[in-house]
Amino acid sequence: RKEVEQDPGPFNVPEGATVAFNCTYSNSASQSFFWYRQDCRKEPKLLMSVYSSGNEDGRFTAQLNRASQYISLLIRDSKLSDSATYLCVVYGGGATNKLIFGTGTLLAVQP
Amino acid sequence: DAGVIQSPRHEVTEMGQEVTLRCKPISGHNSLFWYRQTMMRGLELLIYFNNNVPIDDSGMPEDRFSAKMPNASFSTLKIQPSEPRDSAVYFCASRLPRGGYTEAFFGQGTRLTVV
Repeated sequence: RKEVEQDPGPFNVPEGATVAFNCTYSNSASQSFFWYRQDCRKEPKLLMSVYSSGNEDGRFTAQLNRASQYISLLIRDSKLSDSATYLCVVYGGGATNKLIFGTGTLLAVQP
Repeated sequence: DAGVIQSPRHEVTEMGQEVTLRCKPISGHNSLFWYRQTMMRGLELLIYFNNNVPIDDSGMPEDRFSAKMPNASFSTLKIQPSEPRDSAVYFCASRLPRGGYTEAFFGQGTRLTVV
């Protein structure tokens, strides 16, 4: 089983739609969680951290469920510029604290 | 700050040749990660360093791969001999290991093609 698993998509949605991505992780001792965004042929960049209580940044909402080892990202009112790959990232949880990336979910927002 | 700097940006080499990828982390960051990205496998962690010391190299695919960090401002990833299946984008990232919620910053990557 992969340490971090995501649905690869693609998710094709119209502008203005709400879309949700899910991610599961295998190591229950993992310490912190993130969503990164990667544009085509570019490097990944931090979108937002995911806190236990859930957090929101504008149109983006992240949730963490430690009991189910599950992370989610909700994007409301999708824009064309949201088209990218969204990477779920998990840090820590062992003798060697590693930053592990999921394979990413591709989002294509259509006009 | 210039961010994480990787070189070269693109490398095309023949099978069997030695390839050296270079990374300069952000000044003050003492965790450095090397990742490989392919369409099939996504971003795979190859190795990471804390304070110039390799902490976990379990992701290094085989003995043909080696990584060094001789000082806090420089790291190399070497492939010898290279094979076509090594073709991928190799990213270097750095962060401050100040608790869990610190951002990892990525370089622009080296796109390696082995023919």
